[in-house]
Amino acid sequence: EAGVVQSPRYKIIEKKQPVAFWCNPISGHNTLYWYLQNLGQGPELLIRYENEEAVDDSQLPKDRFSAERLKGVDSTLKIQPAELGDSAVYLCASSLVVSVDTDTQYFGPGTRLTVL
Amino acid sequence: GENVEQHPSTLSVQEGDSAVIKCTYSDSASNYFPWYKQELGKGPQLIIDIRSNVGEKKDQRIAVTLNKTAKHFSLHITETQPEDSAVYFCAVRGPSTLGRLYFGRGTQLTVWP
Repeated sequence: EAGVVQSPRYKIIEKKQPVAFWCNPISGHNTLYWYLQNLGQGPELLIRYENEEAVDDSQLPKDRFSAERLKGVDSTLKIQPAELGDSAVYLCASSLVVSVDTDTQYFGPGTRLTVL
Repeated sequence: GENVEQHPSTLSVQEGDSAVIKCTYSDSASNYFPWYKQELGKGPQLIIDIRSNVGEKKDQRIAVTLNKTAKHFSLHITETQPEDSAVYFCAVRGPSTLGRLYFGRGTQLTVWP
């Protein structure tokens, strides 16, 4: 079974430019997460989707970040405009949540963003 | 939100020795405690998890223990091998955090042959 797929794996842009990341979750998983991982730290949740609905986006900087999950499958995370401090790894994870005990999260390889 | 402390930040052991990483958390209602292994350039990989109704769980060379009273849990790796070298993260989820995992800062484990 294929895992979580993310693209691109690496992205280098200049500040003030837009950037987008794409995620394809594990087949059949209804819940999708975007995490931010700064160097030397653990992942931090940006947004969580249940099917196509964003149910937890309290940590998403909405002035420059946006996300969508059309048809409840693939998801795109966008930054516009990018700032130097956005340099980090952006991780996507997915899980099949049918009860409170079945929310194991599986991560993709991440997209490493460098803003110059 | 949840406050997760992880220690040590770095750990070096000789091949064959045991390694122990500890995490503490602040919300006594937290009920799910996974451990992830992250190798360079890769995403975190789940290696073991435990729920609050269990005190200990073992999977071959890896075990996790949970002390709900003291609000801490530990990862134990026995008979370490060089391929165990990676960054290990603990995480915590509570019933009120809607599926959000709170991660520790990670432990860089190095196993010397």
